[in-house]
Formats: sequence, C-alpha cells, structure tokens
Amino acid sequence: QITLEESGPTLVKPTQTLTLTCTFSGFSLSTSGVGVGWVRQPPGKAPEWLGVIYWDDDKRYSPSLKRRLTITKDTSKNQVVLKMTDMDPVDTAKYYCVHKGFNGWEFDYWGQGTLVTVSS
Amino acid sequence: DIQMTQSPSSLSASIGDRVTITCRTSQNINTYLNWYQQKPGKAPQLLIYGASSLQSGVPSRFSGSGFGTHFTLTISSLQPEDFATYFCQQSSGALTFGPGTKVDIK
Repeated sequence: QITLEESGPTLVKPTQTLTLTCTFSGFSLSTSGVGVGWVRQPPGKAPEWLGVIYWDDDKRYSPSLKRRLTITKDTSKNQVVLKMTDMDPVDTAKYYCVHKGFNGWEFDYWGQGTLVTVSS
Repeated sequence: DIQMTQSPSSLSASIGDRVTITCRTSQNINTYLNWYQQKPGKAPQLLIYGASSLQSGVPSRFSGSGFGTHFTLTISSLQPEDFATYFCQQSSGALTFGPGTKVDIK
C-alpha cells in the first residue's frame, strides 16, 4: 500500500524559503522508473505541477517556477524534500506530494496535502 | 505553454444521469491526457490516464475518450459519491491542469 505524507511549516513570511518534506511508504525511490513529485493547489483553484525527482536523481521542474525550486531525495529515509525560495502571498496553497505513475505523466497516489500560508 | 479549457465550468445533475465533461487543449497532445476527481478537502484522485484507460479500482461507469485537442470524461450513471470537481491534466508539454468542472446535485 502506497502512502505519502507531507510535513513542514503552515506559515511562512514573504521572501522566506519554504521547506517541505514528503515521507512515503509502500515503494522505494531506488527502484528503476519510480518518481515522486509535488503539486500545489491555491484555495478554490486548479492544481499546479511543481516538479518531480526520479530514482536516478534526474529532476524535472515547472518552467515557470524552475529558478525557485529544488527537489532532493533521501532514499534511506524514504523522503523527498521540496525547497521553494522567495515565497510570496500568491504562493499560498495546499502542497501535495505525489507518486508518478508508470503509464506516463499521471499521478496515481497523493498525500493528504499541507496548507502553507504566506503572510507577514 | 499549452492552454486548457473545460466545459461546462459547473453542472447540476440528478442521480442516474449521464454526465459528459469536455476538455480542450490549445495544441495537439495526442492522448497525453488524464482525468482526476476531487472532493472537498481531499486530494485529487486519478480516474483516467492516457485519455481512455481506467485507473485500477475506479468504477466502470467512468470512461474517457478523445485525441489531439478534444477530450471527454463520461459518467454513465451518476452516483451520490460522484458529486465532486473534475480536472483534466495534459502531459504533452509542461504539465498543466484544466480549470475544473464542478458537478453538484440538481
């Protein structure tokens, strides 16, 4: 059974760096083809893909946010970490950790999400 | 960037109704199109991948079709648990989601 759980601050100030951790179980990020990503969703709006990291440490980022994002993994801890710099109130959203499926670019498992508010 | 639209933005339907939601893209994306269902306060759930393949565990009343720039999600007989918001997502270019279609009770 695959599960993912996000953890991190619920409130950050403008210009600060957001760090979120995804702890997962039911699969290994050292297995060929596996990818774990991040998706965010502002309140009342559509989801927005942020990026993904693969078993071989290959990474893909949203072109519009690439300069602000870093995704890393700790395979031994079954964790993936998202860092987003220069946070702004428009970055207020629920941030989801997701497991990338093997049929293409679908996300077949999602964490419950964590709401991050950006405010001074 | 590939732009996405969904229609309608919302609809009201009754139990047992056949419901069709449309997703259009600004460029040809072949069949790189997925559908998700989201209930209030919950994470999206994958329903359909590759435009027409049913995700494991998803009821067969859900079906998807389309190719290129025009796609549809059909619920053959709406059930109480199907009242939710539905998003399409393309994976041909930089991943993007459609704006969503809210299905509520008539």
